[in-house]
Amino acid sequence: EAGVAQSPRYKIIEKRQSVAFWCNPISGHATLYWYQQILGQGPKLLIQFQNNGVVDDSQLPKDRFSAERLKGVDSTLKIQPAKLEDSAVYLCASSLGTDRGRAFGSGTRLTVV
Amino acid sequence: GESVGLHLPTLSVQEGDNSIINCAYSNSASDYFIWYKQESGKGPQFIIDIRSNMDKRQGQRVTVLLNKTVKHLSLQIAATQPGDSAVYFCAESHSNTDKLIFGTGTRLQVFP
Repeated sequence: EAGVAQSPRYKIIEKRQSVAFWCNPISGHATLYWYQQILGQGPKLLIQFQNNGVVDDSQLPKDRFSAERLKGVDSTLKIQPAKLEDSAVYLCASSLGTDRGRAFGSGTRLTVV
Repeated sequence: GESVGLHLPTLSVQEGDNSIINCAYSNSASDYFIWYKQESGKGPQFIIDIRSNMDKRQGQRVTVLLNKTVKHLSLQIAATQPGDSAVYFCAESHSNTDKLIFGTGTRLQVFP
């Protein structure tokens, strides 16, 4: 089966600009996650969707980050405006339900200069 | 707060030797643990998991040991190969939630 697809792979933007990341989960996976992974650290959950509803967004900086999953399949994560500390890899993952095993995409590496 | 950490940030081993990667967790209520492997430019890849009602679980060339008394988790890789070079993360979870809390990772370097 095809894995979790993410685009773009890399993005370089200036601070205060906006950026968007796209994720296509594994077909049939109802749960979708966005993680932020700062260099040298483990992934940190930003937001979790169950179909098109938000389950957990407690760690999402809502003043600048937003995410949607309108049709319960693809998802986009947006940052506006970006800060230097947003430089990280943004990982998308999906799972069939709320099971604790999940498949990760290769991520989008964001550099804010 | 809750956290998962690792003792050794970098581990260098010779090809063919066994590797042991350690992890300490702080939440005694955690009942499910996963080891992930992350190669450069890729997302974390599931290696092996263990539930708190077990103290050992074996996979292909990998073994996970859980010591709940001291809240310690380890990943043993037998006959380490160059393809095992990566960053390894442990993650913990509690059955009341599917939220995974990741540690900071250990880089495994395999040299010939």
